[in-house]
Amino acid sequence: NAGVTQTPKFQVLKTGQSMTLQCAQDMNHNSMYWYRQDPGMGLRLIYYSASEGTTDKGEVPNGYNVSRLNKREFSLRLESAAPSQTSVYFCASSTYLIRGVDEQFFGPGTRLTVL
Amino acid sequence: GIQVEQSPPDLILQEGANSTLRCNFSDSVNNLQWFHQNPWGQLINLFYIPSGTKQNGRLSATTVATERYSLLYISSSQTTDSGVYFCAVGGDYKLSFGAGTTVTVRA
Repeated sequence: NAGVTQTPKFQVLKTGQSMTLQCAQDMNHNSMYWYRQDPGMGLRLIYYSASEGTTDKGEVPNGYNVSRLNKREFSLRLESAAPSQTSVYFCASSTYLIRGVDEQFFGPGTRLTVL
Repeated sequence: GIQVEQSPPDLILQEGANSTLRCNFSDSVNNLQWFHQNPWGQLINLFYIPSGTKQNGRLSATTVATERYSLLYISSSQTTDSGVYFCAVGGDYKLSFGAGTTVTVRA
């Protein structure tokens, strides 16, 4: 099993450009997440999808949109990139439990620079 | 949201030394995980430990949920243990991360 995979690994954008970060998991997990990590900090939740067909905002959703394409795939879109969105983006997945609590597993990350 | 504080922020160890990392959190939680972020940036799951004690090789962790803290123990440290250790807590799908403890193990 590959676990959680993310593409691309690196990306450089100019201010105002758009792009989509892709995430896929092969662990048959129901829930998926997008986080960002800024230098010297822990991760912050951008959006999550508790199950296929649902998405919800996390702590820092402004400037992002998400799509849960199917059970395996969860994409993150930047419509008009800004330098403040320069960060490392991590996707994660977990099994759904009654209270939405289970161990989260993370992908390798996408390093995004916005000039 | 839940506040997560990790201490110490930085730790320098000589190879073979033991250490304890602490995570305090501000509210009751249903989920607590410890991660190791290696120098290449990858997040490696160490423990899923909302309560109790677990051990995995040279690493062990204890969470006392009623007192809102967790401890990560590293014994006989090795240079490969270097990196940032994160505690993350939460429930209802949301994890809140601490700022991490940066561990440097010197040969």
